[in-house]
Amino acid sequence: DTGVSQDPRHKITKRGQNVTFRCDPISEHNRLYWYRQTLGQGPEFLTYFQNEAQLEKSRLLSDRFSAERPKGSFSTLEIQRTEQGDSAMYLCASSFRGKGTGELFFGEGSRLTVL
Amino acid sequence: KQEVTQIPAALSVPEGENLVLNCSFTDSAIYNLQWFRQDPGKGLTSLLLIQSSQREQTSGRLNASLDKSSGRSTLYIAASQPGDSATYLCAVKGGNSGGSNYKLTFGKGTLLTVNP
Repeated sequence: DTGVSQDPRHKITKRGQNVTFRCDPISEHNRLYWYRQTLGQGPEFLTYFQNEAQLEKSRLLSDRFSAERPKGSFSTLEIQRTEQGDSAMYLCASSFRGKGTGELFFGEGSRLTVL
Repeated sequence: KQEVTQIPAALSVPEGENLVLNCSFTDSAIYNLQWFRQDPGKGLTSLLLIQSSQREQTSGRLNASLDKSSGRSTLYIAASQPGDSATYLCAVKGGNSGGSNYKLTFGKGTLLTVNP
């Protein structure tokens, strides 16, 4: 088990372009989360999946943001018509609902820079 | 709405010192509390998780305590080393007026520098 994997690690784009990030959680984990972190701040919750169902979306997730987890395994986070304010680190985490501690494990993040 | 505060925002100590990082949260109805380490430009590494029914957890030179009723946690680092230099984040699960048992709310972190 290699942990939570995120791709790409870094993305530089021009304002108005669309970007997509991918997250591969730990294989047996049924919960998957997306967070956003800006410089000097703690991560902020964006959205959460249990298996393939998206159960909560933060108000931070505007209409330009969409997340999917089609088969309950990997997830994608797409940002359409990017704005400079979207520049941040996008973090993915996974956990197991059921036996266990409910500990969240995070990936290395995908850093987005919008020019 | 759950709010998490970490004090101090930054801390600089000489190598070998024992130190304490503080975390407080406004809603004590939490499920658990996690401490994370974050190196510059990197993701989060989980250090310790304390369930709401527990008082403390230990891992190596790290000890985390939880006083749920007062809404406080501390992370104690013994015999600090330069390699401990990082940002330490505290996060609580739950406590949003009886809300989710899955969502973490984070503090802004404490930036620790251990000088050789």
